[in-house]
Amino acid sequence: DIQMTQSPSSLSASVGDRVTLTCQASQDSRKYINWYQQKPGKAPKLLIYDASNLEIGVPSRFSGSGSGTDFTLTITSLQPEDIATYYCQQYHNFPWTFGQGTKVEIK
Amino acid sequence: QVQLQGSGPGLVKPSETLSLTCTVSGGSIGSYYWGWIRQPPGKGLEWIGCINYSGNTHYNPSLKSRVTISVDTSKNEFSLNLSSVTAADTAVYYCARRSAFDLWGPGTMVTVSS
Repeated sequence: DIQMTQSPSSLSASVGDRVTLTCQASQDSRKYINWYQQKPGKAPKLLIYDASNLEIGVPSRFSGSGSGTDFTLTITSLQPEDIATYYCQQYHNFPWTFGQGTKVEIK
Repeated sequence: QVQLQGSGPGLVKPSETLSLTCTVSGGSIGSYYWGWIRQPPGKGLEWIGCINYSGNTHYNPSLKSRVTISVDTSKNEFSLNLSSVTAADTAVYYCARRSAFDLWGPGTMVTVSS
């Protein structure tokens, strides 16, 4: 199985800050990485697919990059509504696997 | 607009089988993979497995011996059966579309308890 490791597990930042979340795959996952945002009590929402493609309707302050084993989700200017837990997921190989999540809070 | 809606019992007894159905409305179940993901209370996401419209399945090896996912194209729905459940299977169960899960059902909370 491909293990996905996210860091940090949580972070606290101010409104307007640039925030960077990382995800490392235990094996080459090419570009087959997706990022999700989950708010309490809600289903996850797709933000980024195939490492760097912004899902329709997602604000442009979200961006993704990386390939192979190292991936990044960046929020260029953190907004109060971005408070959530963020998950990466690989689908290069079965079983598809998720990272353990990064919880983002406002300072 | 395509929507997913899961349904099934919210309470299952230990050792019994958990059965959930996800109905696809506003579009056809043809094409795409359709999958199940679960989330224990306060924990992260776990992929359970997926199926495509022609019935090809892939399962998480950690659950493979207990999981069956099926599709009924005539009803535009797909289903999850998880046998021999224990308290560790208590979770919110989500159905979702594709390998990039671009569409999710709202989730069904299933508690395993006698």
